[in-house]
Amino acid sequence: SQTIHQWPATLVQPVGSPLSLECTVEGTSNPNLYWYRQAAGRGLQLLFYSVGIGQISSEVPQNLSASRPQDRQFILSSKKLLLSDSGFYLCAWSVRPSVPKRRYEQYFGPGTRLTVT
Amino acid sequence: DAKTTQPPSMDCAEGRAANLPCNHSTISGNEYVYWYRQIHSQGPQYIIHGLKNNETNEMASLIITEDRKSSTLILPHATLRDTAVYYCIVPTTYSGGSNYKLTFGKGTLLTVNP
Repeated sequence: SQTIHQWPATLVQPVGSPLSLECTVEGTSNPNLYWYRQAAGRGLQLLFYSVGIGQISSEVPQNLSASRPQDRQFILSSKKLLLSDSGFYLCAWSVRPSVPKRRYEQYFGPGTRLTVT
Repeated sequence: DAKTTQPPSMDCAEGRAANLPCNHSTISGNEYVYWYRQIHSQGPQYIIHGLKNNETNEMASLIITEDRKSSTLILPHATLRDTAVYYCIVPTTYSGGSNYKLTFGKGTLLTVNP
């Protein structure tokens, strides 16, 4: 069966410090991968998605970047954190959508709660 | 792009059926309805999806009206562990369906009471 891992579970970082969050998926090949952020009391916001190694699409301009160095590894980074980067960061995977199956289920990891102080 | 409307909150007694409504009046003929839920401090969990026929799985049932403008997620015997935010989503598709985006709105906070 497929599993998705994220670490760390919680993180407290000072403003201006760098960030690296890692996500790995097991039990599947060629997944689509996603990074979401959920700010306190708000909905999920899609940050990045990737359809393959080295292929990253950004949904919103921001202080963050993403990389996919391996098929099942997705990394979220920042060179200098801002207070507004605080939130709950979620990684998700899905099978490659295809027509006509139209499978749009995404499976989420446990998340990383980031507090920027 | 189809948008969804859900009540912000609902209560349900433990052991009773929970019926969560969703309006998606602008849905087009080939767009699916997906349901996810998010238990506090966890990632969202896929529940079920459907196009026009009613669907059932081990977690829930999905009833879609004949005109497809609304749907209802049914948890037949709600438990305390079903307390969560439930999201009704119509995925936005691109490139003929080979790419898509899920937009999570505010959902419905379902509170199951003992």
